[in-house]
Amino acid sequence: DIQMTQSPSSLSASVGDRVTITCRASQGISNYLAWYQQKPGKVPKLLIYAASTLQSGVPSRFSGSGSGTDFTLTISSLQPEDVATYYCQKYNSAPATFGPGTKVDIK
Amino acid sequence: QVQLVQSGAEVKKPGASVKVSCKVSGYTLTELSMHWVRQAPGKGLEWMGGFDPEDGETIYAQKFQGRVTMTEDTSTDTAYMELSSLRSEDTAVYYCAAGSWFDPWGQGTLVTVSS
Repeated sequence: DIQMTQSPSSLSASVGDRVTITCRASQGISNYLAWYQQKPGKVPKLLIYAASTLQSGVPSRFSGSGSGTDFTLTISSLQPEDVATYYCQKYNSAPATFGPGTKVDIK
Repeated sequence: QVQLVQSGAEVKKPGASVKVSCKVSGYTLTELSMHWVRQAPGKGLEWMGGFDPEDGETIYAQKFQGRVTMTEDTSTDTAYMELSSLRSEDTAVYYCAAGSWFDPWGQGTLVTVSS
């Protein structure tokens, strides 16, 4: 099975900072990559699919890029409401594995 | 707009089974690929299984093979996930989620396994 890794596992940044999270697949998955945001005690929320397509209603400060094995999620200007754990997920084929998550908080 | 509404919290004893439901509204179940994901307390998201439209069948994560059964009642647009031989490590919030990329999600069902 393809394994998904994320780095860093956690980060602390200031409001307004640019934040980048990396996701790596152990084998190529083309662009079959989604990103989710999960705030404490809440249901995961889809942010991005097809590696770079922003889900409707998601603020434009979120963006995704990458293809093959290496992907990034970027928050262009971190806001207090972005405090959450972010997960990547492959969905090209079963199993639809999630990455271990990256916890983002405010410095 | 698709909405998924799950059944309520459950408390089970070790060795028992639990069956969680996920009611679809806004679409019919046959139009969706339904998946199940769980999250143990303080842990990450874990895919348990779901419908693969390319194969036309439900695929289970190897970890749960033999213990999980995912079914659908198209007459009521309700999906079900049954997990058997429960142990304490199965204590988690269980989510249904629809689509190739998962959107929307159900609200989650807390299953507590305790003697």
